[in-house]
Amino acid sequence: DADVTQTPRNRITKTGKRIMLECSQTKGHDRMYWYRQDPGLGLRLIYYSFDVKDINKGEISDGYSVSRQAQAKFSLSLESAIPNQTALYFCATSDFGTGGHNEQFFGPGTRLTVL
Amino acid sequence: RKEVEQDPGPFNVPEGATVAFNCTYSNSASQSFFWYRQDCRKEPKLLMSVYSSGNEDGRFTAQLNRASQYISLLIRDSKLSDSATYLCVVKGDSSYKLIFGSGTRLLVRP
Repeated sequence: DADVTQTPRNRITKTGKRIMLECSQTKGHDRMYWYRQDPGLGLRLIYYSFDVKDINKGEISDGYSVSRQAQAKFSLSLESAIPNQTALYFCATSDFGTGGHNEQFFGPGTRLTVL
Repeated sequence: RKEVEQDPGPFNVPEGATVAFNCTYSNSASQSFFWYRQDCRKEPKLLMSVYSSGNEDGRFTAQLNRASQYISLLIRDSKLSDSATYLCVVKGDSSYKLIFGSGTRLLVRP
């Protein structure tokens, strides 16, 4: 079984709809992250969480919100989806690691299309 | 200027070739450096960390030049299975943030 799972894997929605992307992990890591990936732009950090109830904005948090309901779960919401939120979304986890080398482990991604 | 810059490629090489990718970063306070590999439509996975003294893992060699703020990845004896996008990743001066380059695409042909 995968250590980091994301649901749904693919989603097509319409402008203005609310949508939630779910992430679960069995690695026992405290830190969880949401990224989006667009062609030519690399991965950009949306939100991150170091523990349950800890929420921090990344570089592109506008239009998104998150919830860390438990250590193993971190969900990303788009309150009112817009077409430029069409992207590939990745959840990732990490622990602190020796010397701060916090390798991040990624889920398989959610491909979101907003029409 | 992007914080991490890479040549997007694609690099199209025959099997058995040696290929090198370069990456530059803008923040001189950056602490740690990595190469991740991403297959088409898949998640990124850590390939190797990059240490100041340079390090090697089989056919892969990573080098860091802090003075020039430059990282490289050398792949020797390329295999078809090496075809992927290679992401240069830099950890900033805070404890959590990884900054990803947009990736260099490698195509290894028979």
